[in-house]
Amino acid sequence: GAVVSQHPSRVICKSGTSVKIECRSLDFQATTMFWYRQFPKQSLMLMATSNEGSKATYEQGVEKDKFLINHASLTLSTLTVTSAHPEDSSFYICSARVYWGNTIYFGEGSWLTVV
Amino acid sequence: GDSVTQMEGPVTLSEEAFLTINCTYTATGYPSLFWYVQYPGEGLQLLLKATKADDKGSNKGFEATYRKETTSFHLEKGSVQVSDSAVYFCALSITQGGSEKLVFGKGTKLTVNP
Repeated sequence: GAVVSQHPSRVICKSGTSVKIECRSLDFQATTMFWYRQFPKQSLMLMATSNEGSKATYEQGVEKDKFLINHASLTLSTLTVTSAHPEDSSFYICSARVYWGNTIYFGEGSWLTVV
Repeated sequence: GDSVTQMEGPVTLSEEAFLTINCTYTATGYPSLFWYVQYPGEGLQLLLKATKADDKGSNKGFEATYRKETTSFHLEKGSVQVSDSAVYFCALSITQGGSEKLVFGKGTKLTVNP
């Protein structure tokens, strides 16, 4: 079946640095990708929706200058957490909608720990 | 706003036991409803869905019926297996600003013991 891959699966970074998480659709093209954040024992919270070739649409309360999203091609979206702080430590999940339909596939998620 | 509430886990069952994971929702309009499953080390996978009232979604022995009158979409399986151990997420889809979005519950971790 369709596969969405996230990289890295785990990353530890120092406070104040930036870290990039990649989301790739391996065997299909995705016009739309979504980025979620999940705190322990909480729901997945949608952060932003990105469409290939255009600016991402951020959900209310999500700082677009802190969480930079780029969707440069139909198979790759990146989330960059800039000037990371310990409170940014979380589980980040991406999903991708197939180009020709409405099915959404999820990545395995990426654990970010800011120390 | 639109939201999903599902029973808190963790849930621990013996193999062949009956499973129910409750899910209720709040939404304006008529959302589609989903159950996603996340096996250890993997991404979320769509387990089943229902798009309108009284629809029953089913897959791999799991079932859920879209109950508009009780705003519920409870997940059931008659006889669970060890391989069903995973985290289960109830979700609804809404259309906002011209795009479709998923709203998730907190997830329920299921452990099935042999």
